[in-house]
Amino acid sequence: EPEVTQTPSHQVTQMGQEVILRCVPISNHLYFYWYRQILGQKVEFLVSFYNNEISEKSEIFDDQFSVERPDGSNFTLKIRSTKLEDSAMYFCASRARRSGETQYFGPGTRLLVL
Amino acid sequence: SQKIEQNSEALNIQEGKTATLTCNYTNYSPAYLQWYRQDPGRGPVFLLLIRENEKEKRKERLKVTFDTTLKQSLFHITASQPADSATYLCALDNYGQNFVFGPGTRLSVLP
Repeated sequence: EPEVTQTPSHQVTQMGQEVILRCVPISNHLYFYWYRQILGQKVEFLVSFYNNEISEKSEIFDDQFSVERPDGSNFTLKIRSTKLEDSAMYFCASRARRSGETQYFGPGTRLLVL
Repeated sequence: SQKIEQNSEALNIQEGKTATLTCNYTNYSPAYLQWYRQDPGRGPVFLLLIRENEKEKRKERLKVTFDTTLKQSLFHITASQPADSATYLCALDNYGQNFVFGPGTRLSVLP
């Protein structure tokens, strides 16, 4: 069964450093998402992406964040200058249509900012 | 303001009993509502989707109801097993916008 994959599974970085989290969505999906989950808290939406542009973003997704689909398979989330409060699990998700079916989530990247 | 609540942070039940989890929302008009399972350190796994014009959906031991008047969904696991222990998340699909997740209910099924 097709699945969303994410790399790396864990990332430790120093405050102020840039990180890039990578995702490979399910191949025939057109809509892509990033969510984060701070330890012990709920899953929060960051950004949605369709047709090579951001379709929606939350207040969390400020100028330090960017997303890209550099080729036909990868979908990346970049944090330019990490802060301590960026420590969280980051989940990528994809779905085939805009609405009416589920989003399929990847296993997540655990980011720890020291 | 918009809010999604799940009935309790944690729920303990005896193996074999039916677990009932509640999701209530305010100031949303979701076209769909979904339930996910999340195990510690893992991503959410889709369980069931129910549309606004559907009252009930079933899948094996799982049942979901959706009452748009009460703005509530109930999620039932019948004949619960210790392997059902996990956090269960409800998520609103607001007409193709992003998913909005509830805080989750941590279910423990005791042998």
